[in-house]
Amino acid sequence: QVQLVQSGAEVKKPGSSVKVSCKASGGTFSSYAISWVRQAPGQGLEWMGRIIPILGIANYAQKFQGRVTITADKSTSTAYMELSSLRSEDTAVYYCARAVAAAAPFDYWGQGTLVTVSS
Amino acid sequence: QSALTQPRSVSGSPGQSVTISCTGTSSDVGGYNYVSWYQQHPGKAPKLMIYDVSKRPSGVPDRFSGSKSGNTASLTISGLQAEDEADYYCCSYAGSYTVGYVFGTGTKVTVL
Repeated sequence: QVQLVQSGAEVKKPGSSVKVSCKASGGTFSSYAISWVRQAPGQGLEWMGRIIPILGIANYAQKFQGRVTITADKSTSTAYMELSSLRSEDTAVYYCARAVAAAAPFDYWGQGTLVTVSS
Repeated sequence: QSALTQPRSVSGSPGQSVTISCTGTSSDVGGYNYVSWYQQHPGKAPKLMIYDVSKRPSGVPDRFSGSKSGNTASLTISGLQAEDEADYYCCSYAGSYTVGYVFGTGTKVTVL
């Protein structure tokens, strides 16, 4: 059974960075894609970007280009999402989600990590 | 890339059917047969309900069905049950690199 377990809630100051982890168990971590999706309070879902660990290639939604970095450590089956230059509008729950192929749906999701940006 | 357009809310009585629309463009919904639907209960992670426009993952009741015509996809819930009350989001693959995926605005389904 595939499980994605994310790191705990974070409180950050405006202008700082946050790094959220997503540890996978079950399945073959390297061969599928891990995406990051965020949801601001009371708002909808927003795709941020993804990485395919076996290729080591990440791509990002245009909105987040230059501010987000997604990486993966194959040795620990863990993906990371780092968001920099945080502002209050980045307050959201951040989810990691698995897709088995490039255009595949998100069949497994992490439990979500609340990131609060506040001075 | 703009979010796909969904109605803010739909409602129905137990046993009835409801349909949620999801309108995009030829660059996303209309261009690919990679539309998926997610159910989200409050405080929970989304759950995949439909993928590739009309396919159901194992364990999803056959009360849930999907379709697509042109730039608009639809999710129908037949025989509405109390546990179906949740938010529903459509999602379309929209190409690789800086586009990737685009989600819908979300629809609140209320069981009366």
